[in-house]
Amino acid sequence: SQTIHQWPATLVQPVGSPLSLECTVEGTSNPNLYWYRQAAGRGLQLLFYSVGIGQISSEVPQNLSASRPQDRQFILSSKKLLLSDSGFYLCAWSSPLVNTEAFFGQGTRLTVV
Amino acid sequence: RKEVEQDPGPFNVPEGATVAFNCTYSNSASQSFFWYRQDCRKEPKLLMSVYSSGNEDGRFTAQLNRASQYISLLIRDSKLSDSATYLCVVNRGTGRRALTFGSGTRLQVQP
Repeated sequence: SQTIHQWPATLVQPVGSPLSLECTVEGTSNPNLYWYRQAAGRGLQLLFYSVGIGQISSEVPQNLSASRPQDRQFILSSKKLLLSDSGFYLCAWSSPLVNTEAFFGQGTRLTVV
Repeated sequence: RKEVEQDPGPFNVPEGATVAFNCTYSNSASQSFFWYRQDCRKEPKLLMSVYSSGNEDGRFTAQLNRASQYISLLIRDSKLSDSATYLCVVNRGTGRRALTFGSGTRLQVQP
């Protein structure tokens, strides 16, 4: 069966510090991969999605970036965090087929102080 | 206009009640529709897919009206454990794999 791992679960970082969140998927090949962010009490905002190694689509201009160095690895990064980057970051994967549901990792709760 | 709109609630209902959530979507090219459930401070989890013919899973019934671009979720005989936020989700259209999430409707079932 497929599983998705995301870490760390909780992170407190100072303003201006770098960020690296990692997500890996097991049990499937060539998954579609996604990074979403959820601000407190708000809906999910799609940040990036990827349909293959090195293929990244950015949805919202911001100081975040994403990379997919391996088929089942997706990384979210920032060179300098802002207070507004605080939120609940969720990695998800879906089948490479169209029109399928997505499955989420357990999320990283980031607080920028 | 938001791509997916939901009444944020909260819906406060007694145990055993029937409750209905509605959702509208703006992209007529959307082809896949889902309801997800999200517990407080947890990741969203798939509750059920929504098919054109409507579908039922135990106490949960989902309906889709493509002409009106409207999706509904009906929960019968509410349990305390149904308390959560329910997210309406649509894909972005032919060949577009990313999902768009509504902001969610919060349900609180009370004893």
